[in-house]
Amino acid sequence: GDSVTQMEGPVTLSEEACLTINCTYTATGYPSLFWYVQYPGEGLQLLLKATKADDKGSNKGFEATYRKETTSFHLEKGSVQVSDSAVYFCALPIYNQGGKLIFGQGTELSVKP
Amino acid sequence: NAGVMQNPRHLVRRRGQEARLRCSPMKGHSHVYWYRQLPEEGLKFMVYLQKENIIDESGMPKERFSAEFPKEGPSILRIQQVVRGDSAAYFCASSPPKGASYEQYFGPGTRLTVT
Repeated sequence: GDSVTQMEGPVTLSEEACLTINCTYTATGYPSLFWYVQYPGEGLQLLLKATKADDKGSNKGFEATYRKETTSFHLEKGSVQVSDSAVYFCALPIYNQGGKLIFGQGTELSVKP
Repeated sequence: NAGVMQNPRHLVRRRGQEARLRCSPMKGHSHVYWYRQLPEEGLKFMVYLQKENIIDESGMPKERFSAEFPKEGPSILRIQQVVRGDSAAYFCASSPPKGASYEQYFGPGTRLTVT
């Protein structure tokens, strides 16, 4: 069945370091792919998305490229800030089941000044 | 355009009581999803509803849990006779009539604590 595997955390970085959070998926067809971010005590916010192969989603300095050949959607940022500290979730919708989202296990990022 | 609204934000119940969680989707959104986030676990799908219809409840526990999305008013997730294991954050998400990407917009969640 469809699934998402995400790099385990927690990840601790210093401010201005580079970030990569790995995400791979198994899916029927070519679904859209999403990254959501959850700040402490809050709900999930859509960070970025890609709707087809080779699409690059980007937002707030974060980027992720939909790679069909490696079934991956890794999240990257060149220079993290303390305010990026949060939990990041990779997700894909199951089209033939009403679009419900399958999430990776989440990666907690902590950025130190 | 207001976002997805959930209330209450925090709910404390004693074992055996009932918990009612409310979700108002974004304006123009007709699809509602409920997810549960248990401590140390990820987000798991529970149920998908459209107005007056349950479309997919494959993630709902078979007993004590029910959901509705009436023609008027918010969607309700109801947990009867709560147990400690029900303590979790419950998130509602909504989406517009289906577009190409199926993205969902989440509310702030209701954090249920069962004592």
